[in-house]
Amino acid sequence: ILNVEQSPQSLHVQEGDSTNFTCSFPSSNFYALHWYRWETAKSPEALFVMTLNGDEKKKGRISATLNTKEGYSYLYIKGSQPEDSATYLCAFLPLTGGGNKLTFGTGTQLKVEL
Amino acid sequence: DTAVSQTPKYLVTQMGNDKSIKCEQNLGHDTMYWYKQDSKKFLKIMFSYNNKELIINETVPNRFSPKSPDKAHLNLHINSLELGDSAVYFCASSRTLGEAFFGQGTRLTVV
Repeated sequence: ILNVEQSPQSLHVQEGDSTNFTCSFPSSNFYALHWYRWETAKSPEALFVMTLNGDEKKKGRISATLNTKEGYSYLYIKGSQPEDSATYLCAFLPLTGGGNKLTFGTGTQLKVEL
Repeated sequence: DTAVSQTPKYLVTQMGNDKSIKCEQNLGHDTMYWYKQDSKKFLKIMFSYNNKELIINETVPNRFSPKSPDKAHLNLHINSLELGDSAVYFCASSRTLGEAFFGQGTRLTVV
């Protein structure tokens, strides 16, 4: 069983606040860590694919970091806007013994209020 | 042009019936998945296919049988539907070990 955990489970912030969430995953047999954004009534869409220890990726106000040795990734949102409200999922992809077993975490539900 | 499409979007059926959900992708991907979204919005992997071959079967009841006639299609057939099968089912595809692209989901309601 691949253990992929996210915290917090939910988060309410004010518009303009910066925030971050955590994803923890197995530190062995690592191939990639994905982040997805899932808006209500839509399907999950990929934000980042991260493969190297120390990777940092950025897309607009959203960025992510990766530590494969200790098995965690952070997602940061700078200056949150109401349109950032969504569930953010991370997903772990192992290198062997389960290739193509893209396992999702439980998600962090973000609500940005005016 | 929809990249990953599932049909139907909604499916309401009686207990005991057999039903199918179809999934097609036009991205040229070689990997396709079925996920079940539980009541807490958690995406649980059910099956993964790579080049039409079953790779992952995550202890799903035998009543669920995926079928991949070609790399672009992965259909899900469910026999003898039970109340507990009610959920949203998502199909997804990816290049091998790449990011997943999801269909719009099929909301199955068993009454």
